[in-house]
Amino acid sequence: NAGVTQTPKFRVLKTGQSMTLLCAQDMNHEYMYWYRQDPGMGLRLIHYSVGEGTTAKGEVPDGYNVSRLKKQNFLLGLESAAPSQTSVYFCAGTSGGRAGELFFGEGSRLTVL
Amino acid sequence: AQSVTQLGSHVSVSEGALVLLRCNYSSSVPPYLFWYVQYPNQGLQLLLKYTTGATLVKGINGFEAEFKKSETSFHLTKPSAHMSDAAEYFCAVSDLRGNTPLVFGKGTRLSVIA
Repeated sequence: NAGVTQTPKFRVLKTGQSMTLLCAQDMNHEYMYWYRQDPGMGLRLIHYSVGEGTTAKGEVPDGYNVSRLKKQNFLLGLESAAPSQTSVYFCAGTSGGRAGELFFGEGSRLTVL
Repeated sequence: AQSVTQLGSHVSVSEGALVLLRCNYSSSVPPYLFWYVQYPNQGLQLLLKYTTGATLVKGINGFEAEFKKSETSFHLTKPSAHMSDAAEYFCAVSDLRGNTPLVFGKGTRLSVIA
């Protein structure tokens, strides 16, 4: 069982470049989330999805877009990367709604030069 | 909107000593409360959670937390620290409305000294 898998795990971008982070899950999660983790800031929610074909904005959505065309995949896109988007990105999923355990991927470390 | 405050960004304890990590929450409705742990270079994993019922919740690796409504607190404790407990710990809150995602605190890094 792979669980929640993020690709790529590491990436270096130049300012202005675009990229997509892929989150794939085989746990039949209905809800999926993208967080970013920065030192001293904890985890901040970027976007989330409560089901296939749905997305919603979180706390820090600017500069990011997401898509959930298939239930098992949740994509996070950066159209024009900025140094402020240097961070570690985590995908998580749950089937338990508000009380459900979140299952996290191992993270994707992105550096924007 | 709900929020979480973790007191102390870094806590250091000796091996065998009591671990106490503090978490206070703000929520206009009865909350669901969680503690997650993150080991180096890994994602977060659930330690324990409170939803309803017994206010003292036991989790994995000997950790427990007590929900105190009057103090709006959900502090995490472990009687005797082990070197393997060194990690970052996050408190999180979710309220009962709609599909509101979890809100995480800023985290507390626990160091265990031999």
